[in-house]
Amino acid sequence: DQQVKQNSPSLSVQEGRISILNCDYTNSMFDYFLWYKKYPAEGPTFLISISSIKDKNEDGRFTVFLNKSAKHLSLHIVPSQPGDSAVYFCAASWNQGGKLIFGQGTELSVKP
Amino acid sequence: DTGVSQDPRHKITKRGQNVTFRCDPISEHNRLYWYRQTLGQGPEFLTYFQNEAQLEKSRLLSDRFSAERPKGSFSTLEIQRTEQGDSAMYLCASSFPRGSGSRSEQFFGPGTRLTVL
Repeated sequence: DQQVKQNSPSLSVQEGRISILNCDYTNSMFDYFLWYKKYPAEGPTFLISISSIKDKNEDGRFTVFLNKSAKHLSLHIVPSQPGDSAVYFCAASWNQGGKLIFGQGTELSVKP
Repeated sequence: DTGVSQDPRHKITKRGQNVTFRCDPISEHNRLYWYRQTLGQGPEFLTYFQNEAQLEKSRLLSDRFSAERPKGSFSTLEIQRTEQGDSAMYLCASSFPRGSGSRSEQFFGPGTRLTVL
């Protein structure tokens, strides 16, 4: 039962353009969502998070949008840079629970 | 603070052997998590501790797996009688609890890559 889904295994974007990574979830109990970036042979690095009481959170070039009615969140990266090339995971949790439920990841390639 | 550290970074073992991994969390964090990641998948939750108490275990954590955090600081994950299906990246993370007034995102270590031959 995949509660968090990233349906695009890969995405290729030109440097300077916008990257949009998508994530869908099924569990309406989720109330906290996060995006992580992962380079090969390293652990995931936290990027940005959003609580279910908000619909947008912005941090520099990164913005996360949450659409609760559609159970959908997205990460926008503007402008995209070659150093952004990595695998991006969305994750979700609920209540005061500790565990994160991760999607399968989307590999972003930003071409110069 | 140097972040979350894990040791060893790589472990190759033969089927049937026991292995033990260590995780040192960020010192101020009282929550510590273990995840497992296989190729092409996101990390899957295994277990977590708040201080020395193990609060939740996934059904992925079979009887061959045991985790400890005896003094509420570092943690160990032991796998007994390893099987080829245990080959994966084992990730450790730490955080403050949600609602504690501090940021609660989980910070991950570099992982231990286990290969069972």
